[in-house]
Amino acid sequence: KQEVTQIPAALSVPEGENLVLNCSFTDSAIYNLQWFRQDPGKGLTSLLLIQSSQREQTSGRLNASLDKSSGRSTLYIAASQPGDSATYLCAPQTSGSRLTFGEGTQLTVNP
Amino acid sequence: GAVVSQHPSWVICKSGTSVKIECRSLDFQATTMFWYRQFPKQSLMLMATSNEGSKATYEQGVEKDKFLINHASLTLSTLTVTSAHPEDSSFYICSARDRGSVAKNIQYFGAGTRLSVL
Repeated sequence: KQEVTQIPAALSVPEGENLVLNCSFTDSAIYNLQWFRQDPGKGLTSLLLIQSSQREQTSGRLNASLDKSSGRSTLYIAASQPGDSATYLCAPQTSGSRLTFGEGTQLTVNP
Repeated sequence: GAVVSQHPSWVICKSGTSVKIECRSLDFQATTMFWYRQFPKQSLMLMATSNEGSKATYEQGVEKDKFLINHASLTLSTLTVTSAHPEDSSFYICSARDRGSVAKNIQYFGAGTRLSVL
């Protein structure tokens, strides 16, 4: 059974800082891994998807890396802004399109 | 981009009543849809996987007679919470896999439904 751990559980930073969110998973037999953003009381916004054959993906100020063999992924956010405040979820996908979610990192960016 | 519409966004009901939640793929056909539940301060937990035209597959511990799933077309899946109780109060989110992008295994998520059972 896939287990996903996200560290830290919560993070508060001043505006402008670069930061790294960590995700680890126990079953390395994944098809891909997605990073999502969830605002309070809202659904999920997909940020980045990394296929199992890829090492990283970039979108704007976001960069996600994947080390499948060691069961780790990181989400790097450059020059953080107050609008980045949200909960960030990591979800590796295994057989049958099953997504397993971590408990998330709650990010607060202070102006 | 692919859009998944979920309705209603918020529902309040009395204990013992049934509530139906709809999940629609607006601009693509979804052979497979997924239903998740999220309790406060917790992550999403997969409840069931629904394939068009066949019975849903439920995760361990999820009562299939309580959470009825119907996936009658390639664009619509419904989740009915039968005889709802206060402990069923939660945030329910659906996702859909684009039939045209099966190779990428991408799921698109609805905005969620907040269910409050009084």
